[in-house]
Amino acid sequence: DIQMTQSPTSLSAFVGDRVTITCRASQDIRNHLAWYQQKPGGVPKVLIYTASTLESGVPPRFSGSGSGTYFTLTISSLQPEDVATYYCQKYDSDPYTFGQGTKLEIK
Amino acid sequence: ITLKEAGPTLVKPTQTLTLTCTFSGFSLNSAAEGVGWVRQPPGKALEWLALIYWDDDQRYSPSLKNRLTITKDTSGTHVVLTMTNVEPVDTATYYCVHRRLPYEPGGYVPYHFDYWGQGILVTVSS
Repeated sequence: DIQMTQSPTSLSAFVGDRVTITCRASQDIRNHLAWYQQKPGGVPKVLIYTASTLESGVPPRFSGSGSGTYFTLTISSLQPEDVATYYCQKYDSDPYTFGQGTKLEIK
Repeated sequence: ITLKEAGPTLVKPTQTLTLTCTFSGFSLNSAAEGVGWVRQPPGKALEWLALIYWDDDQRYSPSLKNRLTITKDTSGTHVVLTMTNVEPVDTATYYCVHRRLPYEPGGYVPYHFDYWGQGILVTVSS
């Protein structure tokens, strides 16, 4: 089965910073990758799918890139409301594996 | 589209857990629709469990497939997940998710989980 590895596992940054989270797949998944945001105590919400398509209503400071085995989620200017855990997920074929998550905090 | 999970919040070890997902805004009798389950132990990561499609195609997590069964009802508005022989490590919030496969020339294409239920916390303890 394809493994999904995120880095870092946790991250602390200042408001206004540019933040990047990476996700690596152990095999080629083309662009079949989504990023989810889960705020404390909340339900996961999709931010980006097909690696770089922004879900409707998601602020444009979020962006995704990558293809094949290497993907990134970037927040161009970190805001206090972005405190959350972020997960990548492959959905090309089952099993639809998630990464282990990246916990993002504000310094 | 809305989904809502229902079931017991406390289950004893070795028992069978049965969870029901009731949804609206789509029918699982319609082509390209799918409903699945994702769980999250307290403080841990998301884990995909199972998914069923409109044509009754069922997919399972390899690590749990021997313990899971996912079914849909004839009305196309409910999906049931059963997990046998539960243990304390199965304590988690269980989410119901929706997946619709877009159709393009050549066939259906992969798509993410676009809608999630609110989740139900199930505790396994004696």
